[in-house]
Order: sequence, then C-alpha cells, then structure tokens
Amino acid sequence: AQSVTQLGSHVSVSEGALVLLRCNYSSSVPPYLFWYVQYPNQGLQLLLKYTSAATLVKGINGFEAEFKKSETSFHLTKPSAHMSDAAEYFCAVSDRAGANSKLTFGKGITLSVRP
Amino acid sequence: DAGITQSPRHKVTETGTPVTLRCHQTENHRYMYWYRQDPGHGLRLIHYSYGVKDTDKGEVSDGYSVSRSKTEDFLLTLESATSSQTSVYFCAISGQGKGNTIYFGEGSWLTVV
Repeated sequence: AQSVTQLGSHVSVSEGALVLLRCNYSSSVPPYLFWYVQYPNQGLQLLLKYTSAATLVKGINGFEAEFKKSETSFHLTKPSAHMSDAAEYFCAVSDRAGANSKLTFGKGITLSVRP
Repeated sequence: DAGITQSPRHKVTETGTPVTLRCHQTENHRYMYWYRQDPGHGLRLIHYSYGVKDTDKGEVSDGYSVSRSKTEDFLLTLESATSSQTSVYFCAISGQGKGNTIYFGEGSWLTVV
C-alpha cells in the first residue's frame, strides 16, 4: 500500500519569500511522485513529477522538488513566491509512471501569499 | 486544455435519487478515472477504466457504479444518493503519449440534500 503525508493544511508566506511545501511518502515499491496545483474552482494541474530519472525535478511556474529516498520525502520549493502561486497543492504517489497510474493523494496544503 | 468535459458542472439533488455524472474526452485516451475531493481527504479514487467495458473499483467505490460503452465517455452513477456523497467529483484521463500524464477535468459539484 502507498500513502502520502502532507503535514499541516495551510502555509502562508510573503511575496518574494521561499516557498517550501512538505511531502513524505510511504511505498513498498519504488515510488513515482507527483505534485499537482489546484486553483479555486478548477481542476488539478500537474506541476512536476519524479519518475526515477533525476532526483531534482523542475516543473512549471518556477517550482522544483527533490526526491530523497533516505528521508522518503519529495518536498516542493520555489525560491520566490508570487501572488499568483496562491492555491492548493497536492502531493501524490503511484507505483508506476505509465498511463495506467492510479494516484494516491495527500490531503493537500493551501498556500497563501501575503503582499 | 486537456480535452475533458464533465457534466453537469453543478447539481443539487435529493437523498435517495439516482444521479449520473458524465465525463467526455476528445483525446482517445485508454484510461479514465473518477475521483472525489473532500476537505481533509484530498482526492480519493472511486472507479477507473482501462478500456471499453473494462472497469475496476478504487478506494471508495461503495455506493457508486460506472460504465464505459465508448472510449470517449465514462459515466459515474450514484444509484441512491446520500448526503455523504456530497462532494466535488473529478474525472481524469491518461494514455500513451504526452508523457503519460494524468489530466483532470474541471470538476462536478454535487450537493445531496
């Protein structure tokens, strides 16, 4: 079985500050990891994904995440927050990278950005 | 635009009535999924399909059924809606190409009163 833990439900940062959203996973097989973003009243959009290639993954909108097997973590970062980053962020894990991926999601973290 | 259309987008229904949500895709992708999103739970998989007439249960399938008679359409049915099924329902698709990414629809807001 696989699971994802996203500690805390809400993170607030100032515009221009570092964004750090934490994700820890549990998996009995090599995991494939994903970060999705959801803007209000919209569907989920893929930010980035780890599929066993490079451990540092770069995504859209300046976000990146680092896969650390020893820490079972896949934290999402962005050097400088922008007001448009305010959204809900979901970390997800799967046992495969292909099209037949059934994702297990964390509970999500709401990111607020203060002017 | 991931080529996914969900209908209806918003619906209010009464307890005990049947409800069907439709997911239509224009990408000809093989795999389709239904998730529900609830505060504090993230998204949870209800049912999924790996081809026409091939479906299987997900994590929270009780009270739901699905059908896929055509590649492009995946229907989710609540046989007798309950208040615990008030949620936002997301359809997702994936297939070969486009990095095998799973794409999500815009969601269907269902309220059971």
